[in-house]
Amino acid sequence: ELKVEQNPLFLSMQEGKNYTIYCNYSTTSDRLYWYRQDPGKSLESLFVLLSNGAVKQEGRLMASLDTKARLSTLHITAAVHDLSATYFCAVATTPSYGKLTFGQGTILTVHP
Amino acid sequence: ETGVTQTPRHLVMGMTNKKSLKCEQHLGHNAMYWYKQSAKKPLELMFVYNFKEQTENNSVPSRFSPECPNSSHLFLHLHTLQPEDSALYLCASSQDPGAGSPLHFGNGTRLTVT
Repeated sequence: ELKVEQNPLFLSMQEGKNYTIYCNYSTTSDRLYWYRQDPGKSLESLFVLLSNGAVKQEGRLMASLDTKARLSTLHITAAVHDLSATYFCAVATTPSYGKLTFGQGTILTVHP
Repeated sequence: ETGVTQTPRHLVMGMTNKKSLKCEQHLGHNAMYWYKQSAKKPLELMFVYNFKEQTENNSVPSRFSPECPNSSHLFLHLHTLQPEDSALYLCASSQDPGAGSPLHFGNGTRLTVT
């Protein structure tokens, strides 16, 4: 059974600081997704990582995938309050690419 | 505007009631999903439909019954639910999961079972 673990589960940051959220998974996969969820809202797709060594960046967020280590990271650079949300990673394995297994989520709070 | 619309947004039902959740996607996607989001638990996949055919049933109790009449609509029929079924039920769609297309989620239905 595929297990996906994120850490930390809670992250309190000051504005302007950098930090990394980690996503570890237990089975071979080359499909990893990052989502964001604001309170009371739906999940929004942030990044799709489809190969070993994939790196994607959007604004202050950068995601990477190391399939050999079964690890993805979401790096936050110079955090701002608007980044406060819950971040989820999700993994798909062959042949069930339609079946995503989600991590527990990391609740990020950015303070002034 | 997410492109995936769920109704109702909130639902309160007794354990003996029968109700249905509705999901409609306006994105032309081929795959649709039901996920359950409970407090303090990861999102749990319930059902997957590809081109109207059910391809995943993640050991969901029979009191949850999905229906996918076409690629744009997905229903979740509920009957004799338990209080522990109270959760946020999220519908999602994807263009081509085999090619790595991400899921697009609706805003969810907040279900409370009394």
